[in-house]
Amino acid sequence: NAGVTQTPKFRVLKTGQSMTLLCAQDMNHEYMYWYRQDPGMGLRLIHYSVGEGTTAKGEVPDGYNVSRLKKQNFLLGLESAAPSQTSVYFCASSLLGASYNEQFFGPGTRLTVL
Amino acid sequence: SQQGEEDPQALSIQEGENATMNCSYKTSINNLQWYRQNSGRGLVHLILIRSNEREKHSGRLRVTLDTSKKSSSLLITASRAADTASYFCATIISSGSARQLTFGSGTQLTVLP
Repeated sequence: NAGVTQTPKFRVLKTGQSMTLLCAQDMNHEYMYWYRQDPGMGLRLIHYSVGEGTTAKGEVPDGYNVSRLKKQNFLLGLESAAPSQTSVYFCASSLLGASYNEQFFGPGTRLTVL
Repeated sequence: SQQGEEDPQALSIQEGENATMNCSYKTSINNLQWYRQNSGRGLVHLILIRSNEREKHSGRLRVTLDTSKKSSSLLITASRAADTASYFCATIISSGSARQLTFGSGTQLTVLP
């Protein structure tokens, strides 16, 4: 039981390049989330999903897109990376909504945009 | 602006001492959760306290919630060097989406051996 895994662990992009971050969970959770964490700050929600085929915007969705084609996977895309997107990205999942359950986090992806 | 704010931002104590961290929030909540983050790692859930609860225990952790003051505290008793980490409170606001947690900026705890 691997829990929540993220790929890749590190990535360096040039401004304008695109990339996709992959999150996978093997706990059969319905809800999945993407957060970013900047130095000295807490996590901010980018997008989330309440089930396969559904996505919704969080607090800071601009510049990102997501897809949940399979229940176990949640992809975060950057179409045209900007230096302001330099951050550590965390994926999380939960069985039910946050009103009921804790969230389980992946180890993070450190992204640098030059 | 963030819903939850931890205080202090940084705390340094000796092994064996107790550590207390506080969290204040702005709007009515459904529940409040505490998470720990070791350096370079993801967050790990510690404890969840619901708005109708006042105190909860889990091992060496004790969490209190005062909804009238919109505040919570996390007490770690008999601290160990392995407790060194950042601690975050997170809230579910009652009027918003039940699926969103809002995190504070964290307390960096250092436990000296």
